[in-house]
Amino acid sequence: AQKVTQAQTEISVVEKEDVTLDCVYETRDTTYYLFWYKQPPSGELVFLIRRNSFDEQNEISGRYSWNFQKSTSSFNFTITASQVVDSAVYFCALSEAGGNTGKLIFGQGTTLQVKP
Amino acid sequence: KAGVTQTPRYLIKTRGQQVTLSCSPISGHRSVSWYQQTPGQGLQFLFEYFSETQRNKGNFPGRFSGRQFSNSRSEMNVSTLELGDSALYLCASSLVPPTYNEQFFGPGTRLTVL
Repeated sequence: AQKVTQAQTEISVVEKEDVTLDCVYETRDTTYYLFWYKQPPSGELVFLIRRNSFDEQNEISGRYSWNFQKSTSSFNFTITASQVVDSAVYFCALSEAGGNTGKLIFGQGTTLQVKP
Repeated sequence: KAGVTQTPRYLIKTRGQQVTLSCSPISGHRSVSWYQQTPGQGLQFLFEYFSETQRNKGNFPGRFSGRQFSNSRSEMNVSTLELGDSALYLCASSLVPPTYNEQFFGPGTRLTVL
């Protein structure tokens, strides 16, 4: 069965610290997509990244970077030099069926608090 | 380009009533998905519509239903409301393949059932 686990419920860091959010997934499909979304207090989920199962290259976008490792079924997200504006709930999600579906399976989310 | 819009943003109902929530996708997007978010269960998939057809459905009782119109706007309906239906209902839209499952979410409708 498909499942996404974000073991860290809450993380608190001081501004400028680096922080890594963990995501472990389970799926029997060979073709799937992984996502990270950010949910600020306003409630709207903001898309951060999509990665397909055949692309294990790490990605960097500004202060954000993602590490995808199929061998450990993990898709971790690192924020470098965190800022107060990074405070939000972060969700990792999985899409199966070759990606040809709108159904996303979300983890329980990690609440990140960045203190000034 | 306008984002996904959901109306109303807040709603208070009592047990036994029914409710209809509306979602307008990003212009050009033809797929709409709905999710329920609660503190206990997290984000759970309700259903997905594409070209007015339901493509996928989550594990929710038949009290939860939806539809999509020819202009891609979607509505979801919950009948005979229960206290446990109190949640943030999120709508997401996406284009047709190959970016089919890159979804953009609306601000949500917060439903409170008393």
